[in-house]
Amino acid sequence: GAVVSQHPSWVICKSGTSVKIECRSLDFQATTMFWYRQFPKQSLMLMATSNEGSKATYEQGVEKDKFLINHASLTLSTLTVTSAHPEDSSFYICSAQYGTQGETQYFGPGTRLLVL
Amino acid sequence: AQSVTQLGSHVSVSEGALVLLRCNYSSSVPPYLFWYVQYPNQGLQLLLKYTSAATLVKGINGFEAEFKKSETSFHLTKPSAHMSDAAEYFCAVSDRGITGGGNKLTFGTGTQLKVEL
Repeated sequence: GAVVSQHPSWVICKSGTSVKIECRSLDFQATTMFWYRQFPKQSLMLMATSNEGSKATYEQGVEKDKFLINHASLTLSTLTVTSAHPEDSSFYICSAQYGTQGETQYFGPGTRLLVL
Repeated sequence: AQSVTQLGSHVSVSEGALVLLRCNYSSSVPPYLFWYVQYPNQGLQLLLKYTSAATLVKGINGFEAEFKKSETSFHLTKPSAHMSDAAEYFCAVSDRGITGGGNKLTFGTGTQLKVEL
């Protein structure tokens, strides 16, 4: 149980294009989803918190117009990197949370983005 | 505000030896604490969690951790290391939703565990 998937697992794009990453909770309804960014050999940095049907809450320093988050249902959240540039290249990981107190986050396998 | 300190960015043990990965936390409220493991190019897998029940928590793959409030620690141990344990381990503390919008996690910087023959 508590499986989270991400698609795609790998994406290479040209500078200036937009990329959409999907995060799905496969066997549970996620009250909240989170998006993280991880640079090589570093820890995870929270980018935003996403609740179904409402606007995402972004962490300080994260450009909301650059990283568009949509949480349209209890099983799907999407992150769109708009007008991607090489500095956006990173490993993006989502997590989903459920339960009466929702104390545990379950993580997706991650999406590696390379912007050329 | 919360923070997590993982002492030792790299730990090396022999196969069959005790694994000890250290985690100290700071939290303004009674914390939830987690250990996650990450294999190369993969997401994070939950090893175990402490959510204010028993202070000694047992997880998957033979790992366990003990919550010590007086020491603000949540160290991860395993009696006998296996080659498959080689991975990156992250300790995390949750804000328990006090800042709204779900339980935010603050991660430590990670500890790379190497297991040698």
